[in-house]
Amino acid sequence: AQSVTQLDSQVPVFEEAPVELRCNYSSSVSVYLFWYVQYPNQGLQLLLKYLSGSTLVKGINGFEAEFNKSQTSFHLRKPSVHISDTAEYFCAVSVGTASKLTFGTGTRLQVTL
Amino acid sequence: NAGVTQTPKFQVLKTGQSMTLQCAQDMNHNSMYWYRQDPGMGLRLIYYSASEGTTDKGEVPNGYNVSRLNKREFSLRLESAAPSQTSVYFCASSGGLAGSSGIQYFGAGTRLSVL
Repeated sequence: AQSVTQLDSQVPVFEEAPVELRCNYSSSVSVYLFWYVQYPNQGLQLLLKYLSGSTLVKGINGFEAEFNKSQTSFHLRKPSVHISDTAEYFCAVSVGTASKLTFGTGTRLQVTL
Repeated sequence: NAGVTQTPKFQVLKTGQSMTLQCAQDMNHNSMYWYRQDPGMGLRLIYYSASEGTTDKGEVPNGYNVSRLNKREFSLRLESAAPSQTSVYFCASSGGLAGSSGIQYFGAGTRLSVL
């Protein structure tokens, strides 16, 4: 079975600073990787996904992530954050596009002035 | 398009009461899912339905039942609510076909408190 680890439960950062949210996964087979964002009192929405091809994937709102198979990581990055990026971010993995998602425990990004 | 619609948005129950959470999607998706979200635990899968007519247990199915009423609707029932079921419940859907994008689309959630 696959699993996802998000080591940082909270990440405080100042506006316009860069940020990296870490995600590591474990699986004995090839995986598909996702980052979802949850704004306060809302459902989850897809930020970006890696299914195949280029290991650097770009998503909405200026976020990007890099799939690193050797390190089993899929870290999320943004070069300059805004107050509006304050939200909870979830990394998720599936072993096939028709399969269930396994979520990490989430990282709360808190952007302040 | 409404996407994934969940009702109700909020609910307070007393221990032992029953209720059904409703979920409907208008994207002609094959697969539907129910999750619960608790602080520090991320989202945990309760039940899912890979296609109309099938349902399977997820990670935390105890105390819940589901019904895939048709392709659009997937309900979650708590027969005898317990305080441990206080949580935020999310319904999601996806194309569910091999080779599809695998993206799940989420509803806005139901906040349930069991007293």
